[in-house]
Amino acid sequence: EIVLTQSPGTLSLSPGERATLSCRASQSVSSSHLAWYQQKPGQAPRLLIYGASSRATGIPDRFIGSGSGTDFTLTISRLEPEDFAVYYCQQYGRAFGQGTKVEIK
Amino acid sequence: QITLKESGPTLVKPTQTLTLTCTFSGFSLSTSGVGVGWIRQPPGKALEWLSLIYWDDDKRYSPSLRSRLTITKGTSENQVVFSMTNVDPVDTATYYCAHLVYGDSTYFDYWGQGTLVTVSS
Repeated sequence: EIVLTQSPGTLSLSPGERATLSCRASQSVSSSHLAWYQQKPGQAPRLLIYGASSRATGIPDRFIGSGSGTDFTLTISRLEPEDFAVYYCQQYGRAFGQGTKVEIK
Repeated sequence: QITLKESGPTLVKPTQTLTLTCTFSGFSLSTSGVGVGWIRQPPGKALEWLSLIYWDDDKRYSPSLRSRLTITKGTSENQVVFSMTNVDPVDTATYYCAHLVYGDSTYFDYWGQGTLVTVSS
């Protein structure tokens, strides 16, 4: 069973700043099957990135996914007010990481 | 347009079996590369993947909960039924179903709104 560990647990940043979120797998994961989701309070998760680096339909280009093997990163190049949320990585449509909360500093 | 909606009891007693139905539209679960998954989220906590059913009726379960879970295609072509036996208050959560794309990449691209299930006597 592959375990995904996300860090940090919470990221306190200001609008306009860059956010870097990490997702580390306990064993190698095919980058084709690594996805990132955004969740806001009271809402279902929304797909942001699939295949480690492909943006889902309608996702702004400030969201950048990268990585391979056991280390994956979601970068938000310049935070907009609507980007403050919790972010999850997931592998192969199965296990999720425990999430990173991006909060306003 | 793909939509999914979860339905079932909002309150279940400990030791009972929870049964939820995902009713969907805009896709066929008979189409190659399609699946439906169940995911839950206890209040204030992280997402937890529970189960998947694929277009070919292959099924996958969370290793930690496998003995308690069952997923099946419903009697209607646009439904998936999920059940969890012997529930406990720790199973209190919002339960989501989601549309899975499986192929060159694997991901959930459409989600239901979720249904809150409380386990309490």
